Amino acid sequence: EAGVVQSPRYKIIEKKQPVAFWCNPISGHNTLYWYRQNLGQGPELLIRYENEEAVDDSQLPKDRFSAERLKGVDSTLKIQPAELGDSAVYLCASSLVFEGQYTGELFFGEGSRLTVL
Amino acid sequence: QQQVKQSPQSLIVQKGGISIINCAYENTAFDYFPWYQQFPGKGPALLIAIRPDVSEKKEGRFTISFNKSAKQFSLHIMDSQPGDSATYFCAAVNAGNNRKLIWGLGTSLAVNP
Repeated sequence: EAGVVQSPRYKIIEKKQPVAFWCNPISGHNTLYWYRQNLGQGPELLIRYENEEAVDDSQLPKDRFSAERLKGVDSTLKIQPAELGDSAVYLCASSLVFEGQYTGELFFGEGSRLTVL
Repeated sequence: QQQVKQSPQSLIVQKGGISIINCAYENTAFDYFPWYQQFPGKGPALLIAIRPDVSEKKEGRFTISFNKSAKQFSLHIMDSQPGDSATYFCAAVNAGNNRKLIWGLGTSLAVNP
C-alpha cells in the first residue's frame, strides 16, 4: 500500500515568490492534515480536512496561505507571497475517520522542505 | 498554552539502557495518547498508543505507562539501541470530539553504541 506522497521534497525560493505543495493521501483516508514543522520543534497544525470540508483552519495564516482539497482526495497548500519566516518543513498526513470514530493514527508523508531566501 | 508538557528535551542513553520520556497533560477530555517517532528527514510515524482505560501497554521493547489520576504518561524503551536514536513526540487527543491532536515539544534521543 502506498503511503502519503508529497511533492516537491525540496523547494528554494526568493521571498515574495509563490510556492505550492501537493499531497496525495493514502487511498481511502478521508481526513487530511497539513502541518508545519520548524527545526527542532513539533508539528504545528495548519489545516485539517474531513473529506472536502476544512473542519479546522484556525491556525492557517489566511492572508498568505491557502489550501484546497478538491474531490476529497489530493490537496494543495499554497503560500503567496512567501516570507523568510515560512522556511520550514510542510508535512501532509492522512487518517481514517470511520462512522464518526477516530482511529487515532496519522500517517505522514516525508514532507516538503521550504527554504525562503 | 502548552497543553501537553514533555520532558526531557534531549536524552542520551547507552546501548542496552532504558530510555524514559515523560509527558503530562491538563485536559481530562483527552482519551487517546499516541507516541510518534521521527527520524531526520522523515515524517513522524506512530510508535505506540494508549487509551486511559488501561495503565500500561507494551509492544516489543516499547512500553507506555499511564497514570490517569496524575494526568501523566511515559514512554519506556527497554534495551535501547542506536537505531532508536530519533525524536519522540507524545500527543493527546479527544478522539470522540474535536479530534485535534495536541503535540508535546519532542525529545531528541541519542543512543550511544
